[in-house]
Amino acid sequence: NAGVMQNPRHLVRRRGQEARLRCSPMKGHSHVYWYRQLPEEGLKFMVYLQKENIIDESGMPKERFSAEFPKEGPSILRIQQVVRGDSAAYFCASSPLGGGEQFFGPGTRLTVL
Amino acid sequence: KNQVEQSPQSLIILEGKNCTLQCNYTVSPFSNLRWYKQDTGRGPVSLTIMTFSENTKSNGRYTATLDADTKQSSLHITASQLSDSASYICVVSDKTGANNLFFGTGTRLTVIP
Repeated sequence: NAGVMQNPRHLVRRRGQEARLRCSPMKGHSHVYWYRQLPEEGLKFMVYLQKENIIDESGMPKERFSAEFPKEGPSILRIQQVVRGDSAAYFCASSPLGGGEQFFGPGTRLTVL
Repeated sequence: KNQVEQSPQSLIILEGKNCTLQCNYTVSPFSNLRWYKQDTGRGPVSLTIMTFSENTKSNGRYTATLDADTKQSSLHITASQLSDSASYICVVSDKTGANNLFFGTGTRLTVIP
């Protein structure tokens, strides 16, 4: 049973471009969580999704950021018009149940030039 | 305000020595507390999970303690190995919703030969 998969592992974008981060949850998991980790800081919750639904997006900036978890395919975190402050590691986690133990992916490191 | 604070921020120890990491939290109502190990460039991996009624739990050379009255937890690492070098993150869950994790900023442990 493969763990949580994220791709790409590293992503470089210029200011103003779009970044798309993908997360495939563990098999059988229908709950996905996205976190952001700035250098030397702890993980910060961004958004919690269940298949085709956003359950909690209280940690996600209102502008430029969006997330989806379609019925088929991976969850996508999209950042439009990236700025240097978006440079961070973005982690995805999945769980079989809401509130259950979360299993983390290896993260995507976004660098905005 | 729900918070999780960890100390020390960083720690360097000699291989073979023991060490103890601390976690204080103000999360309420408390559901459970987890310790995660995060290797550089990787996602966090769960070491232990403790509920309100558990005082201590071991996972190999890792032993976690919990004092729910004082809202403190510790992670003791015995006979440290070079591979223990990582960040150790304390994560506390409350009971208010499906996404309810509060992350500490972690203790960066370096084990030197």
